[in-house]
Amino acid sequence: GAGVSQSPRYKVAKRGQDVALRCDPISGHVSLFWYQQALGQGPEFLTYFQNEAQLDKSGLPSDRFFAERPEGSVSTLKIQRTQQEDSAVYLCASSLYGELFFGEGSRLTVL
Amino acid sequence: SQQGEEDPQALSIQEGENATMNCSYKTSINNLQWYRQNSGRGLVHLILIRSNEREKHSGRLRVTLDTSKKSSSLLITASRAADTASYFCATDSTGANSKLTFGKGITLSVRP
Repeated sequence: GAGVSQSPRYKVAKRGQDVALRCDPISGHVSLFWYQQALGQGPEFLTYFQNEAQLDKSGLPSDRFFAERPEGSVSTLKIQRTQQEDSAVYLCASSLYGELFFGEGSRLTVL
Repeated sequence: SQQGEEDPQALSIQEGENATMNCSYKTSINNLQWYRQNSGRGLVHLILIRSNEREKHSGRLRVTLDTSKKSSSLLITASRAADTASYFCATDSTGANSKLTFGKGITLSVRP
């Protein structure tokens, strides 16, 4: 596709549920990033992939958060046993030369 | 944690006026980027300035970088109502474009 595609755009989960958020990056982009954006704040780094290798996961807030990119293209961010504080917009971005191209985000609301 | 800090936090101007937004950061950087975000949408890259550059232009945008003061400014000239959005500065300290650290953003409102 022409841009970074994320799904679902909106997700409502009950506390304790597991969720999976998908990111389809721009074809050929080696680098893929996940960011978390709370309301009224800037994006906070979660994790970074170069092809299928997860090179930095220092921003993942807890071991309930897990990301993968098994074939170096599509990536999934999984959150287990969701908590209310996980409510945020999860942004995926891909990059080739330093400029990040962002998707529209997945807005997660945990009740 | 957020490295960049933009100011002002909110800015309201009349269409046609210039808008100046500032960003300060704490650690040394490889490059600094500015992004725009319309409400409920993803971020759009505006401009990138490297640490060895002092000024860069792109259309109605002008970015300056002062590494001695650890600060950058974004100037939007002849603003339009469509420029209404949140603006974020983001710094790359790794040198490998592997992690951008964003500020909290500036909300710009351009009144028609």
